[in-house]
Amino acid sequence: GAVVSQHPSWVICKSGTSVKIECRSLDFQATTMFWYRQFPKQSLMLMATSNEGSKATYEQGVEKDKFLINHASLTLSTLTVTSAHPEDSSFYICSASPAAGLAVTDTQYFGPGTRLTVL
Amino acid sequence: GESVGLHLPTLSVQEGDNSIINCAYSNSASDYFIWYKQESGKGPQFIIDIRSNMDKRQGQRVTVLLNKTVKHLSLQIAATQPGDSAVYFCAEKRGGADGLTFGKGTHLIIQP
Repeated sequence: GAVVSQHPSWVICKSGTSVKIECRSLDFQATTMFWYRQFPKQSLMLMATSNEGSKATYEQGVEKDKFLINHASLTLSTLTVTSAHPEDSSFYICSASPAAGLAVTDTQYFGPGTRLTVL
Repeated sequence: GESVGLHLPTLSVQEGDNSIINCAYSNSASDYFIWYKQESGKGPQFIIDIRSNMDKRQGQRVTVLLNKTVKHLSLQIAATQPGDSAVYFCAEKRGGADGLTFGKGTHLIIQP
């Protein structure tokens, strides 16, 4: 149980285009999902917290107009990288926290990641 | 031994030996701590967690120690196996719906 998927697993796009990445919790409902970015040989950095039915909360330094997040259901959150540039090339990873009644649990289950390469 | 490279520290151990990976966390308000294992090109995989009201927790072949006084976390892996080769990250969070703050990571290399 507690499986999180991401699609696509990798994507190559031209500079200036937009790319959408999906994050799904397959066997549980997730009130809250998180998006992280990881550059090569570095740690994961939290980008934003995605809450179902409300606006995402972005970490300091993360442009909300560049990284659009939509959490339309309890099992799906999407991250759209708009007008992508080569410096946006990175490994994007989502995680989901199972809902336990009205409370959000501490445990976060991670997806397999999406490798974005912007040419 | 342990060394610090340009990005990730590396720990090299002999197969069968015990490994100890250390982590210093930053926020004294954090009350939940997790160790993750990440293999190349994959997402982090949960290993073990511990809450701030504990100082030790054991799992299968792994033990996490928490020292809140000096904000230090360690992961002990017993009888290290080749499949343990990966990058290990500690992560911390406060309660509620906060995201995780990850440490820098340590690359564990198992020598045959």
